[in-house]
Amino acid sequence: AQSVTQLDSQVPVFEEAPVELRCNYSSSVSVYLFWYVQYPNQGLQLLLKYLSGSTLVKGINGFEAEFNKSQTSFHLRKPSVHISDTAEYFCAVIQGAQKLVFGQGTRLTINP
Amino acid sequence: DTGVSQDPRHKITKRGQNVTFRCDPISEHNRLYWYRQTLGQGPEFLTYFQNEAQLEKSRLLSDRFSAERPKGSFSTLEIQRTEQGDSAMYLCAIRGGNTEAFFGQGTRLTVV
Repeated sequence: AQSVTQLDSQVPVFEEAPVELRCNYSSSVSVYLFWYVQYPNQGLQLLLKYLSGSTLVKGINGFEAEFNKSQTSFHLRKPSVHISDTAEYFCAVIQGAQKLVFGQGTRLTINP
Repeated sequence: DTGVSQDPRHKITKRGQNVTFRCDPISEHNRLYWYRQTLGQGPEFLTYFQNEAQLEKSRLLSDRFSAERPKGSFSTLEIQRTEQGDSAMYLCAIRGGNTEAFFGQGTRLTVV
């Protein structure tokens, strides 16, 4: 069964600094990959997705992610973060089977 | 608006009581999922429907849990004889074709 590992449970950064949230997945076959954001007491909102094609995908709120098949990674990046980016971020994968499998999440905290 | 409405948003119940949650997709999507999310964790898959057929159930879904999607539109998740360990956020999501899943705001259950 596929699995997703988010290597950092918490990432503190200063406002306007760049950030990278790391995600690795276990499957070696074709996958669909997603990043979701969750604000306190809310559901999950899609940030971006990789289905096929270009390995660099751009999402909402200035986020982007790069699919690296050889390293089975899908790291999320933003060149300059804002206070409003404080949230929990989840990486997820669909492979073959129909359900999304999520990582444990990374709590991004932006300090002024 | 993600196109998925969940009711109630919050539910406090005494241990041993039964609770029922409802998920209403605004538009038609043939796949509907239930996830459970405990504090500090990623969402965990519970079950999924394709139209009205329940195609997969997680081992997390004990015999106290039952889900239905009677007409292939809205879905209900019932927990019988609730336990304190059932306290969590219960998330519903919809998905059509090979696309991303859209999540509702969730129902936060507290068992006291």
